[in-house]
Amino acid sequence: DAGVIQSPRHEVTEMGQEVTLRCKPISGHNSLFWYRQTMMRGLELLIYFNNNVPIDDSGMPEDRFSAKMPNASFSTLKIQPSEPRDSAVYFCASSLDRDRGSEQYFGPGTRLTVT
Amino acid sequence: AQSVAQPEDQVNVAEGNPLTVKCTYSVSGNPYLFWYVQYPNRGLQFLLKYITGDNLVKGSYGFEAEFNKSQTSFHLKKPSALVSDSALYFCAVRSVTGRRALTFGSGTRLQVQP
Repeated sequence: DAGVIQSPRHEVTEMGQEVTLRCKPISGHNSLFWYRQTMMRGLELLIYFNNNVPIDDSGMPEDRFSAKMPNASFSTLKIQPSEPRDSAVYFCASSLDRDRGSEQYFGPGTRLTVT
Repeated sequence: AQSVAQPEDQVNVAEGNPLTVKCTYSVSGNPYLFWYVQYPNRGLQFLLKYITGDNLVKGSYGFEAEFNKSQTSFHLKKPSALVSDSALYFCAVRSVTGRRALTFGSGTRLQVQP
């Protein structure tokens, strides 16, 4: 049973370039979450989707960040243009959100380095 | 607003000794509480959760946590620590009625010495 799949696992890019992170949630899960983890700020929720619809994007830092979920099995997080301060580990998580007590399952993360 | 506090950046314990990782929370209404563990270069793994009912919750790998409503705490415990328990532990809260997203604490690094 595959868990949450993220790609790429590592991304190194230059400032100003576009970066696209990808996530495949666990089959049957109806909620998907994007988080960012840094030493300074810890684990921050960026955005979450329920049934492919963005519900809460209050954590998205600025207009350079955008996220889409075109279907139940795929989501992308895009940064354009990227900046060095975007360097972090980005996690995708999914859950079967029958109620608020459902736990989330995390992917392995994408480590992004912007030089 | 909901928040989680993990007052200890690091907890050190000898193998075989009991361990406690502390967590306190603030949320409007009743909480749903979770513990996750993160090993190096890995994503977070779910350990256990409190939804309702018995205040003592048992989870994976011999971990348990005790919900204390009056102290707004949800401390993680294990009777006998293993070296392999060394990792980063996160407490998280979700409101029954408010914001649907989880709010995580800053994490506590557990170091178990042989």
